Amino acid sequence: GENVEQHPSTLSVQEGDSAVIKCTYSDSASNYFPWYKQELGKRPQLIIDIRSNVGEKKDQRIAVTLNKTAKHFSLHITETQPEDSAVYFCAASPGNEKLTFGTGTRLTIIP
Amino acid sequence: NAGVTQTPKFQVLKTGQSMTLQCAQDMNHEYMSWYRQDPGMGLRLIHYSVGAGITDQGEVPNGYNVSRSTTEDFPLRLLSAAPSQTSVYFCASRNWSDREFFGPGTRLTVL
Repeated sequence: GENVEQHPSTLSVQEGDSAVIKCTYSDSASNYFPWYKQELGKRPQLIIDIRSNVGEKKDQRIAVTLNKTAKHFSLHITETQPEDSAVYFCAASPGNEKLTFGTGTRLTIIP
Repeated sequence: NAGVTQTPKFQVLKTGQSMTLQCAQDMNHEYMSWYRQDPGMGLRLIHYSVGAGITDQGEVPNGYNVSRSTTEDFPLRLLSAAPSQTSVYFCASRNWSDREFFGPGTRLTVL
């Protein structure tokens, strides 16, 4: 089955700087890669996703890049703000199958 | 739309007791799943269903049963609660190759 590894497990960034979280996956059949943000005590919420037919997707300060050859994808957050502090999860799925999640990255934005 | 709903929000059980966590969605999603999230850890798949009458095991199915008699409902049953099942439980639903919507979670403590 699919295996997703996520790094780093914790990340502290000065407010205004950029943050990058990286994930690798094992199943070459995976073609859907979402990223979720989870605030303390809340449910995970989708922030951005990418499919294997594109290499990059942006939504305001958030971007995701995908390298199918190397089987890795990354989340980029620019101009970080205090409200970006949360736990971020990546995931992968071969389309019509279950999602496999990474172990999460706790991002702390330092004012 | 209410989205994905879960009841109860909090529950305390004694070892050996049984109970059912309820999950319902009103988005006509075929795919539903149950995850558990332990402190500082990611989301681990317990059971999932690809449609009414069809269920399958995830990564950590032992001690849990599920059924899917309708598209809307996907209850999770704890057969004989153990302290190791203390966790936060999330139900989720989605359509194929689409984003997964999470319920608000059930915080379960087994004494």
